Amino acid sequence: EVQLVESGGSLVQPGGSLKLSCVASGFTFSNYWMDWVRQTPGKSLEWIGEINTDGSKTNYAPSIKDRFTISRDNAKSTLYLQMSNVKSDDTAIYYCTRIRRELGHYFDYWGQGVMVTVSS
Amino acid sequence: DIQMTQSPSSLPASLGERVTISCRASQGISNNLNWYQQKPDGTIKPLIYYTSNLQSGVPSRFSGSGSGTDYSLTISSLEPEDFAMYYCQQDASFPLTFGSGTKLEIK
Repeated sequence: EVQLVESGGSLVQPGGSLKLSCVASGFTFSNYWMDWVRQTPGKSLEWIGEINTDGSKTNYAPSIKDRFTISRDNAKSTLYLQMSNVKSDDTAIYYCTRIRRELGHYFDYWGQGVMVTVSS
Repeated sequence: DIQMTQSPSSLPASLGERVTISCRASQGISNNLNWYQQKPDGTIKPLIYYTSNLQSGVPSRFSGSGSGTDYSLTISSLEPEDFAMYYCQQDASFPLTFGSGTKLEIK
């Protein structure tokens, strides 16, 4: 069974940093592109960015570019999201997702999400 | 960025009813349109990819159609577990974008 389990969410002050993790199981992690998607309170879903299978290529949404970094450790089947210089607008539930690249950018598995609150 | 407009934002319906949710893109997306369901506990499940292809395990009462800028998700006969939020998503170009969601509620 495919499972994506996020962790690392917490309360962080504006301007601070936070690193989220997502441990994958039930599939060969190194064979799949992975993405992060977030959901702000009472609002829709927002794509954050993606990373290719060996971690050599990333692509980000303009709204977070240069502040967030996606990385992965295939030996640990773990995806990361490093968040820097966070703002109140970054308050959201963050989802780790697996992509079916052969079908475009289709999110075929989602984690349960982890809450990040940015507040002083 | 491609804007995705979903309608209606809220849809009261009854068990057994046939419902349709619409999704309009701000420009043509060549059938690169996916649908997802979100339950009240936050769990998100994929339903349909590339306009009309059903994800494995999704009941056949779900179907998708459309072309160009206009797409729709139809549930032929509502079951209790179908009352949830539904989102469309385009993957024609970056940044990937989602619709604002449709809340399917029990009438």
